[in-house]
Amino acid sequence: SYVLTQPPSVSVAPGKTAYITCGGDNLGGKSVHWYQLKPGQAPVLVINFNTDRPSGIPERVSGSNSGNTATLTISRVEAGDEADYYCQVWDSNSDHWVFGGGTKLTVL
Amino acid sequence: QVQLQESGPGLVKPSETLSLTCSVSGGSISSYYWTWIRQPPGKGLEWIGYVYYNGYTKSNPSLKSRVTISVDTSKNQFSLKLNSVTAADTAVYYCARVSGGSRSPADYWGQGTLVIVSS
Repeated sequence: SYVLTQPPSVSVAPGKTAYITCGGDNLGGKSVHWYQLKPGQAPVLVINFNTDRPSGIPERVSGSNSGNTATLTISRVEAGDEADYYCQVWDSNSDHWVFGGGTKLTVL
Repeated sequence: QVQLQESGPGLVKPSETLSLTCSVSGGSISSYYWTWIRQPPGKGLEWIGYVYYNGYTKSNPSLKSRVTISVDTSKNQFSLKLNSVTAADTAVYYCARVSGGSRSPADYWGQGTLVIVSS
């Protein structure tokens, strides 16, 4: 089955840029979606189809996908960005959804 | 604004069946896929499966044949049944709408409901 790999944690100082990666075999050929999870809250879609920002997501949040790696980039990081982030794809071979293991973003 | 709300027992005994319902408001359940996702305590998200409004379903093979997902368009609801549960099925269960086809993301989510499997 298809596997997505994320670093367990990323730490960044306020105002700096956070890069959260998601790795998978030929991932560049798939559509990657990113979700933000905060305790006690409903998950939020922050990037869909590799690069698109849903309404309400600030422009400092962006995504890219090429080769075997997709990246969620959060510029000018704020304390409110501290959360768990998950990448997700649809695996066409199995017609299943796959999630990465999640990355905890800590704002120092 | 589409809203989803999970409902069901918060405590289920081992070997019994976990049953949850997701009520959709602010939009029709028709013409969309609807999905269930869970998160065990301290672990990551796990896709359980989805149902199309016409009843077509697909589920995670890791859950084998324990999963049944159904839709009731007359009530604007869809449901999850997971049988023969064990402590490993303890998790926060989320329902969500899929914005388009199966390659699309989940764009609206419920708040999630914690289900504990324990005697």
